[in-house]
Amino acid sequence: DQQVKQNSPSLSVQEGRISILNCDYTNSMFDYFLWYKKYPAEGPTFLISISSIKDKNEDGRFTVFLNKSAKHLSLHIVPSQPGDSAVYFCAAILTGGGNKLTFGTGTQLKVEL
Amino acid sequence: NAGVMQNPRHLVRRRGQEARLRCSPMKGHSHVYWYRQLPEEGLKFMVYLQKENIIDESGMPKERFSAEFPKEGPSILRIQQVVRGDSAAYFCASSPTQRESEAFFGQGTRLTVV
Repeated sequence: DQQVKQNSPSLSVQEGRISILNCDYTNSMFDYFLWYKKYPAEGPTFLISISSIKDKNEDGRFTVFLNKSAKHLSLHIVPSQPGDSAVYFCAAILTGGGNKLTFGTGTQLKVEL
Repeated sequence: NAGVMQNPRHLVRRRGQEARLRCSPMKGHSHVYWYRQLPEEGLKFMVYLQKENIIDESGMPKERFSAEFPKEGPSILRIQQVVRGDSAAYFCASSPTQRESEAFFGQGTRLTVV
C-alpha cells in the first residue's frame, strides 16, 4: 500500500527553466511533508518542508505547495541548475503517530545545459 | 560535527551468512532510524530506536532481522542468514529529538547478497 506516490519516475528540464516535481498522498492524517534530495551513493538530504497548516513554503529557489483537499504537494525549483540533477523524494509524517517518515518512490530530475 | 556515519559503505555476503550494518549517529543525537531502499523503490521505514530501547519496529521483517542501539557504541542492524532479496541500500538517520522531521541521514550501506 503506497501511501505516498510520485508518479513521474523521471523529469528532464533545461537549465534556467522551472522544475515541478509532484507528489500525491492517500492518508489524510499526514500533517507534515518534506522533500529530500539524493545524489547517487549518498543518503537523502533534507531540502524543504511544509506543515499541513500552510499551503506554501519558500526557501530560495525552492518552493513547496500543499493542496490538502487534493492530497497533493509539489516542489518548484526555479531557476533550475545542473547541480539540481538528483533523485527527489517526497515524504510525509504523522507527527502524533509514531513519527516515522513515509517516502514516495522518487523522481529523477535531470537538468540539461 | 561529523554527520551520521554508516559502515561499511558496501557489504557483500553469500546467502546464509550474517550481515552487520553499523550506524554512528551525530553527536548529541539519541534517536536512530533505519530505512531500507530496494531497487526502484523509495525508502521504507524499518525500526526506530532510542538509546538501549526499541521504540517502533513495525517495519522490520519478523525473522532474521534485529536492531540494537546500546548505551555505548553505534546502532547495529543485524541480518541473519541473508537471502538475495535482502540486497538493498540500508540508510540510518539520527535526530536529537523524537521528531523524525529533524533527522539527518547517513550515506547508507549497500548490501549485496550473492
